[in-house]
Amino acid sequence: AQTVTQSQPEMSVQEAETVTLSCTYDTSESDYYLFWYKQPPSRQMILVIRQEAYKQQNATENRFSVNFQKAAKSFSLKISDSQLGDAAMYFCAYRSRGGSEKLVFGKGTKLTVNP
Amino acid sequence: SQTIHQWPATLVQPVGSPLSLECTVEGTSNPNLYWYRQAAGRGLQLLFYSVGIGQISSEVPQNLSASRPQDRQFILSSKKLLLSDSGFYLCAWIPDPQYTEAFFGQGTRLTVV
Repeated sequence: AQTVTQSQPEMSVQEAETVTLSCTYDTSESDYYLFWYKQPPSRQMILVIRQEAYKQQNATENRFSVNFQKAAKSFSLKISDSQLGDAAMYFCAYRSRGGSEKLVFGKGTKLTVNP
Repeated sequence: SQTIHQWPATLVQPVGSPLSLECTVEGTSNPNLYWYRQAAGRGLQLLFYSVGIGQISSEVPQNLSASRPQDRQFILSSKKLLLSDSGFYLCAWIPDPQYTEAFFGQGTRLTVV
């Protein structure tokens, strides 16, 4: 069964600094997607970044980038130049591709941004 | 346009009462549909998902059930609610194969009293 593990329940960062959130996953599949979602206090789920497993290049979206290590089954999120609006719960997620289509999430990391 | 509707936004139900939460989507055919539960300050627990009408996969054996009576409708039900069913319920969908990510409804906050 596919599982996603986020080992950091809480993280904090100073405004304008950089922070890295960790995520590992377990799967026997070779083709899948990985995601980072953000959940602000409004509880609306917002996609931050996506990565397709067959692509070796790490995805980047403005201040957000990932470090995808397929062999290690690791998928960390780096937030550069942190802003107060980045404060939220961050969830790592795994989606099977072409198989069960299951979409599973980690337990989340609560990010606090200090001014 | 493609949209997802989830209701009600808030629900307070007594223990032992039935439950029906509805999620409908617009703008595409044969989407993947998902139900999640989020306990306070916790992660998203996958409850059920469906890749087509009448096709329901259950992840967590409990007193909840799901049905997909129409292509764009996904219903979460319970015959008798327990206190432990309290939480925030989210419906999500992947509109069609060209999309990689899921999109979420606004969620339902369920309190069982």
